[in-house]
Order: sequence, then C-alpha cells, then structure tokens
Amino acid sequence: RKEVEQDPGPFNVPEGATVAFNCTYSNSASQSFFWYRQDCRKEPKLLMSVYSSGNEDGRFTAQLNRASQYISLLIRDSKLSDSATYLCVVNKYSGNTPLVFGKGTRLSVIA
Amino acid sequence: DAGVTQSPTHLIKTRGQQVTLRCSPISGHKSVSWYQQVLGQGPQFIFQYYEKEERGRGNFPDRFSARQFPNYSSELNVNALLLGDSALYLCASSSEPGQGNSPLHFGNGTRLTVT
Repeated sequence: RKEVEQDPGPFNVPEGATVAFNCTYSNSASQSFFWYRQDCRKEPKLLMSVYSSGNEDGRFTAQLNRASQYISLLIRDSKLSDSATYLCVVNKYSGNTPLVFGKGTRLSVIA
Repeated sequence: DAGVTQSPTHLIKTRGQQVTLRCSPISGHKSVSWYQQVLGQGPQFIFQYYEKEERGRGNFPDRFSARQFPNYSSELNVNALLLGDSALYLCASSSEPGQGNSPLHFGNGTRLTVT
C-alpha cells in the first residue's frame, strides 16, 4: 500500500458545484495532515492544515478520519480559480518526520 | 519580504554530468528541505537540513548530496546524472525543525532536464 493515495482525477465540475476529494494514508502513527494546492508548473502552496475535529476555511472544509486513515477536502461553490492540483500531505511517522506527498488530484472548474 | 529563492530556474545537462542547485530560505527560517517532483507525481522528499545538520534523508541514491551553510542557504548536488533525474527540484523552508509543525514554503523550483 502506498504511503499516501489519492484519486488522480481529473475532476471536471461546473462553476458553483461542490466537489470532494479523498486521500488515504498507510501509517497509523502519522500525526500531521495537510492539503497543498499546486497550480500548473508552479510550486505547491499550503491550502490548509487538517485537524482531528475537522476544520473549515471559507469554502474549504477538511476532515480527518483516523480510524479509517483517510482525509477529505470539500470545496463548495467552486470558482474557476480553484482549478489546480490538490496534494494530500501526511508526515511519515509521528513527531518531526518528513512530509509525504500524494500524487495529487487534478480539478478543473468549467464555466 | 522575499520568499524562498532557487537558482537556476532551468538547467539542461547531459548524462554523467554533475549539477548544483541552490536555495535561499525565507529570512529567519533555519530549516531547508529538498524535494524532487517528476511530471505527474507528487513531490518526493530528498533531504532536510536544520541548523546546518542533516535531519532527514529520503530514498535517493548516494549520487544525491546536500549541505546547508551558516546563513541557512542550501545546495543540492547530483552526480553522474541519469535521464531519470529530469524533474522539478523544489526547495522548501520552514521555521521549525520538524516538517509537521510549521508550513513548508516552497520556492519556484529548478527544472532540470537531462539529455
């Protein structure tokens, strides 16, 4: 099983739609979880951290399910500017260990 | 404030050659990490340095080496280049030694093409 797995997509959705991405991770000891966004031929940028209780930032909601070892990202009211690749990121083990990136899920929001 | 800066932005090398990539972290950040991103894949961890000491190493061959300088800038060296080394090399800085404790701030990357 890969350390971090994501559906590569692409997800093609119309403006205003709600879209959800899931990600699974293999190591139950992982403690830090993030979603990064990467635009085409650009560097990844932190979108949001994922907390155990779930967290929301505007139109974006992140959830963590430790029992099932998956993380989700929900985007409401999609904008054209949301088109990007969304990278699920988990630390390799507990504590100060390197971050492991998934392959990313590509989202295209269509007018 | 300047973000993470990497140089050069693009590089073309031939097989067997050696390459040095450079990175300057955000001012005040003492941790630098290097990642390799092959087209269609997520970034793969290569090295992390904090306070000039190696804190982590990914699953890369010994042809890959790095160091961090007293001013916290860093270099990534790759010897005996292979075609498969063609990738975007990303440098990221953070304020904490652990990558899970503070966000990674990435530079624009160096796009290396090996022919």
